[in-house]
Amino acid sequence: KAGVTQTPRYLIKTRGQQVTLSCSPISGHRSVSWYQQTPGQGLQFLFEYFSETQRNKGNFPGRFSGRQFSNSRSEMNVSTLELGDSALYLCASFKGGPTDTQYFGPGTRLTVL
Amino acid sequence: DQQVKQNSPSLSVQEGRISILNCDYTNSMFDYFLWYKKYPAEGPTFLISISSIKDKNEDGRFTVFLNKSAKHLSLHIVPSQPGDSAVYFCAATPGGTSYGKLTFGQGTILTVHP
Repeated sequence: KAGVTQTPRYLIKTRGQQVTLSCSPISGHRSVSWYQQTPGQGLQFLFEYFSETQRNKGNFPGRFSGRQFSNSRSEMNVSTLELGDSALYLCASFKGGPTDTQYFGPGTRLTVL
Repeated sequence: DQQVKQNSPSLSVQEGRISILNCDYTNSMFDYFLWYKKYPAEGPTFLISISSIKDKNEDGRFTVFLNKSAKHLSLHIVPSQPGDSAVYFCAATPGGTSYGKLTFGQGTILTVHP
């Protein structure tokens, strides 16, 4: 079965621009979580969407937003990019239950210049 | 405020020996714990998990131990193989409807020498 896919895999933007990243979960998975990985802060939770509703939220500024579509695909958007937003953005999907295995995609490497 | 800590940035072991990776947490609300392995340029891969109602869970060469009173968990890999060389992350979650919110440690780089 196909895994979690993320597009694009690499992205270069300049400060002040905005960016949209996409995540397609495994078929049948209703939950998608987003994480940011940086060398200094490690892997940090951004938000989780379940059945098109944001179910959990991390401690990131409002410039980071997301949404989920009826087919469970999810997008995250970062507005007014800052240099510190350069990171690997990972999404994970699972069926939605409290002990289901969470599967990660390969990530999108965002570089902000 | 790091709620999940992996105090050893790296670990080096010989092939065939046991690898023990450690993780400490501070948040008493954490109810479910997971270990992931990550190779460069790939997303984390799930290894094994444990609920707070258990103190041990095994899956093949991997065993996770949980000591709730000490807020400590460990991952044992026996026997270690060169293909196990990767970064290992422990993660914790309150469970329930917050299950999708994983808090990760900083990772431990495991190197298994042939």
